[in-house]
Amino acid sequence: NAGVTQTPKFRILKIGQSMTLQCTQDMNHNYMYWYRQDPGMGLKLIYYSVGAGITDKGEVPNGYNVSRSTTEDFPLRLELAAPSQTSVYFCASSRRGQGGEKLFFGSGTQLSVL
Amino acid sequence: AQRVTQPEKLLSVFKGAPVELKCNYSYSGSPELFWYVQYSRQRLQLLLRHISRESIKGFTADLNKGETSFHLKKPFAQEEDSAMYYCALGGQGAQKLVFGQGTRLTINP
Repeated sequence: NAGVTQTPKFRILKIGQSMTLQCTQDMNHNYMYWYRQDPGMGLKLIYYSVGAGITDKGEVPNGYNVSRSTTEDFPLRLELAAPSQTSVYFCASSRRGQGGEKLFFGSGTQLSVL
Repeated sequence: AQRVTQPEKLLSVFKGAPVELKCNYSYSGSPELFWYVQYSRQRLQLLLRHISRESIKGFTADLNKGETSFHLKKPFAQEEDSAMYYCALGGQGAQKLVFGQGTRLTINP
């Protein structure tokens, strides 16, 4: 049971570079999310998706983009990396809306922008 | 708007002592509260949710709507309880789950 798979686990970027964080889930969940985790700040929602072709902004979307062409995949794109984007990124999925539903998390991507 | 506050960033107790991790929330609708836990080198995972009214690994949490709180409690702490704990708030009509700042719990031997 793979669950939610994120790649890469670690990455170092130079300022201005771009990259895509991959996330895929095999549970046929409609809802997928991207969070970033900063020390002492908890998890902040970047973007989320309620199904293929539908995405919406979370609390901290600036500097990021997402797409959801399939139910399984929800990649997160950083176009012009900045030091403020140094963080640990978590992808998560749930069967339906988060109101009362359990989230399944990936193992995280530790990103450093230097 | 949804908001969750965990007032303690760090909490340290001795093994066998009681533990209480505080969580307060703000939400205009009917809230759904959760506790998530992240053990060292493991994924973030659900510990418990208020609608289940369950006890997981000896932890319990009661939703107090009057005080808008959902504190996590355990009567006798164990060393394996050392972890990062997040309180999270959803609710009917809410599409997103909002997390608190997290509390790092350390159980000393």
